[in-house]
Amino acid sequence: EVQLLESGGGLVQPGGSLRFSCEASGFTFNTYALGWVRQTPAKGLEWVSAIGADGNTHYPDSMRGRVTISRDNSKNILYLQMNSLRAEDTAVYYCTREGPSPFFDYWGQGILVTVSS
Amino acid sequence: EIVLTQSPGTLSLSPGERATLSCRASQSVRNSFLAWYQQKPGQAPRLLIYGASSRATGIPDRFSGSGSGTDFTLTISRLEPEDFALYYCHQYGSPPHAFGQGTKLEIK
Repeated sequence: EVQLLESGGGLVQPGGSLRFSCEASGFTFNTYALGWVRQTPAKGLEWVSAIGADGNTHYPDSMRGRVTISRDNSKNILYLQMNSLRAEDTAVYYCTREGPSPFFDYWGQGILVTVSS
Repeated sequence: EIVLTQSPGTLSLSPGERATLSCRASQSVRNSFLAWYQQKPGQAPRLLIYGASSRATGIPDRFSGSGSGTDFTLTISRLEPEDFALYYCHQYGSPPHAFGQGTKLEIK
C-alpha cells in the first residue's frame, strides 16, 4: 500500500524558515516523481513544487527562489524547504506522488503550516 | 498560464440522480492532460480520473470523464451517499499545474 506521511509543520514567524518531510513507503521510491501541493480556503489547491525521479526540480514562478524541493532516495524521504515565509503561506501542505504523467495519484494526509507572529 | 473554471460552484442533488460537473480551461489543455479529484472534509484529495477519461485504480464505474481542448466534464451516473463531496479539476499538460476552484456536491 502506498503511503506518504508528512511531518515537520507547525507555527513559524513571518520571515522564518521551515523544512518539512514526507516519508514514503509501499512503492519503489526512486522511480517516481514527487511533489508538494498546498491548500488554503482563499486560493484552493496550489502546486508548490515537483522533483523528478532523475532529481530535476520544477517550481511555479510564484515559488521560485523561496522553496527548495529535494529527495533522499536512500531513506525514501521527500523534503521541502521554505524560506522568507509570509502569512499567505499558511496552508495545509500535501506530499504527492506523480503517476505516469504528472497527475497526482497519491496524496499524503497533509500537514498544517501556520505563519504568524 | 492556464486558468481552470469549474461550474457550478455548488450542485444540489439527491442520491440516485446523475451529476454533471464542468471544468473549462482558458486555453487548450495539451494532450487532454486533465484530472479530477474528490475531497471529503478533513481528507486529502483522491484521484478519480486522469487523461480526461481514464478511471484511477479502484474508482467505481459510475464515475466517468469526458472532454478535450478547453471543455471537460465529470459525470457521476447514479449518486451514492458517499459521493457528496468537493470535486476539483487539474490540468497538468502545460506548466505550471493548475487547479479549478472546486464544485461542492451537496445532498438536496
